[in-house]
Amino acid sequence: QVQLVQSGAEEKKPGASVKVSCKASGYTFSTYAMHWVRQAPGQRLEWMGWINAGNGKTKYSQNFQGRVTITKDTSASTAYMELSSLRFEDTAVYYCARDGVAAIDYWGQGTLVTVSS
Amino acid sequence: SYELTQSPSVSVSPGQTARITCSGDALPKKYAYWYQQKSGQAPVLVIYEDNKRPSGIPERFSGSSSGTLATLTISGARVEDEADYYCYSTDISGGVFGGGTKLTVL
Repeated sequence: QVQLVQSGAEEKKPGASVKVSCKASGYTFSTYAMHWVRQAPGQRLEWMGWINAGNGKTKYSQNFQGRVTITKDTSASTAYMELSSLRFEDTAVYYCARDGVAAIDYWGQGTLVTVSS
Repeated sequence: SYELTQSPSVSVSPGQTARITCSGDALPKKYAYWYQQKSGQAPVLVIYEDNKRPSGIPERFSGSSSGTLATLTISGARVEDEADYYCYSTDISGGVFGGGTKLTVL
């Protein structure tokens, strides 16, 4: 069965960076793209970007341009999302989600990132 | 930037039909997807490519799209359908979610 298991909660200071991992299992990692989506407390889902897990090409939301970097380690079946220059408003649950044959179909459990001084 | 607009809330009694709408200028050319999110949980796909239902999703969930408006319909809503529902689509810039609709069934 498809599983996406994310790294644990993080607490960071403003200006720092955070890197969240997402380990995939139950399918061939390089076959499907991986999205990253975040959700601030009580707010909407927000699409951040995605990576083609085959060729490594990425696309980012303009809302995060220059601050977000999505990478992968195919040998470890793991995708990563790094967000830099953290601000208080970056406090959110960050999700990885697989782009399946026709839709974003499987989601990780979410990783809470808290930005606090 | 591209936006998808949803009404903030919909309320129905159990057994009634709930309709949740999503409007966006690109919807005539792009598919709409619908996600259900219950409190404290990750989203779950309930409709993809406007009107297709993934395996395991009850038949009471259906989707349609006409022009700039996509609609998620829950026929005979149940108390367990109470959740936030998000539409999702894409444009040249990437993905975009609607603002979400809180469905209350009581």
